[in-house]
Amino acid sequence: KNEVEQSPQNLTAQEGEFITINCSYSVGISALHWLQQHPGGGIVSLFMLSSGKKKHGRLIATINIQEKHSSLHITASHPRDSAVYICAVRFASVTDKLIFGTGTRLQVFP
Amino acid sequence: DVKVTQSSRYLVKRTGEKVFLECVQDMDHENMFWYRQDPGLGLRLIYFSYDVKMKEKGDIPEGYSVSREKKERFSLILESASTSQTSMYLCASRPLGGGPEYQPQHFGDGTRLSIL
Repeated sequence: KNEVEQSPQNLTAQEGEFITINCSYSVGISALHWLQQHPGGGIVSLFMLSSGKKKHGRLIATINIQEKHSSLHITASHPRDSAVYICAVRFASVTDKLIFGTGTRLQVFP
Repeated sequence: DVKVTQSSRYLVKRTGEKVFLECVQDMDHENMFWYRQDPGLGLRLIYFSYDVKMKEKGDIPEGYSVSREKKERFSLILESASTSQTSMYLCASRPLGGGPEYQPQHFGDGTRLSIL
């Protein structure tokens, strides 16, 4: 069983819809990352958070430490948001290792 | 902007060949990482390095080795390539620093390696 679980695995949406992607993890963490991978492979870091909520443009990331759960929301989705979204956690502040979820493939249609 | 450059986007090699994947970063980062990415498994850490000539095994080091002779360059070596090593390989780097100084990893565009 993966220590980091994402849902859904695949998601399709119409342009303009509100999107939610979920991430659950099994033990206490020092930080959680949301990453975006476009077709072709390159990965960019969207958010790094250890509590509360962060917002960047149309993207919002929240984390609930007690429930070991994080969500990534996309408001007013657009076809250019189509990508794989990956959740990754760092389990202890002394290690640099990240444990990755298997990703959520999002397709937004016009 | 941080740039992590992987030498090839696509590579095709034959079983038994020695394969070198190169990664260069331009931001003087201490920490560098090699991952492989497979469908349904996510990214898995092969090796990482936190300084020149230093290396640490990740979760799946078998069949791989690494070299870090210069700070900006981290090479992944498949000593004798096998078909099971067909995968997407991603390199990443980040500066040293934890706690409030922690910065996320910067990734290269990946190398899609096929072993025939």
